[in-house]
Amino acid sequence: NAGVTQTPKFRVLKTGQSMTLLCAQDMNHEYMYWYRQDPGMGLRLIHYSVGEGTTAKGEVPDGYNVSRLKKQNFLLGLESAAPSQTSVYFCASSYGLAGGSETQYFGPGTRLLVL
Amino acid sequence: GENVEQHPSTLSVQEGDSAVIKCTYSDSASNYFPWYKQELGKRPQLIIDIRSNVGEKKDQRIAVTLNKTAKHFSLHITETQPEDSAVYFCAASSNFNKFYFGSGTKLNVKP
Repeated sequence: NAGVTQTPKFRVLKTGQSMTLLCAQDMNHEYMYWYRQDPGMGLRLIHYSVGEGTTAKGEVPDGYNVSRLKKQNFLLGLESAAPSQTSVYFCASSYGLAGGSETQYFGPGTRLLVL
Repeated sequence: GENVEQHPSTLSVQEGDSAVIKCTYSDSASNYFPWYKQELGKRPQLIIDIRSNVGEKKDQRIAVTLNKTAKHFSLHITETQPEDSAVYFCAASSNFNKFYFGSGTKLNVKP
């Protein structure tokens, strides 16, 4: 049982390049989330999903897109990276409201540097 | 949207003392308030949480209190130990969809 995993662990991009971050969970969780963490600002929600095939905007969605084609995977895309997107990205998952457990389990994080 | 403020940003205590971290929120619809501990370079981990229908919850040395009227909630750590040193985050959510986090408190427990 790997829990929540994220790929890659670290990436350097040039401004304007695109990339996809992959989050995978093997706990059969319904809800999945993408956050970014910047120094002194805590975690901010980018997008989230309450089930396979669903996505919704969080607090800071601009410049990012997501997809949840399979229940166990949640992809975060950057179409044209900007230096302001330099951050640590965390994925999280939970059973959600219907599952009766609110606990969010976080992945190990992806460190992204945009030059 | 929701606005969560967390104080203090840093807290230094002597081993064995108590530590208190406070958060306020703005959206009265928020009904779930978790606290996370994050060690340097690691992922956040849930340490305790509380729902809006409960005023206080304890788990060994950790407790959380909630005042819905004043829209604030607090984390209390008693008998602090060096391994409690970390960054602590509070969060607020309405029905487990959007989560809004505080800016974090760096706790330093001096041996």
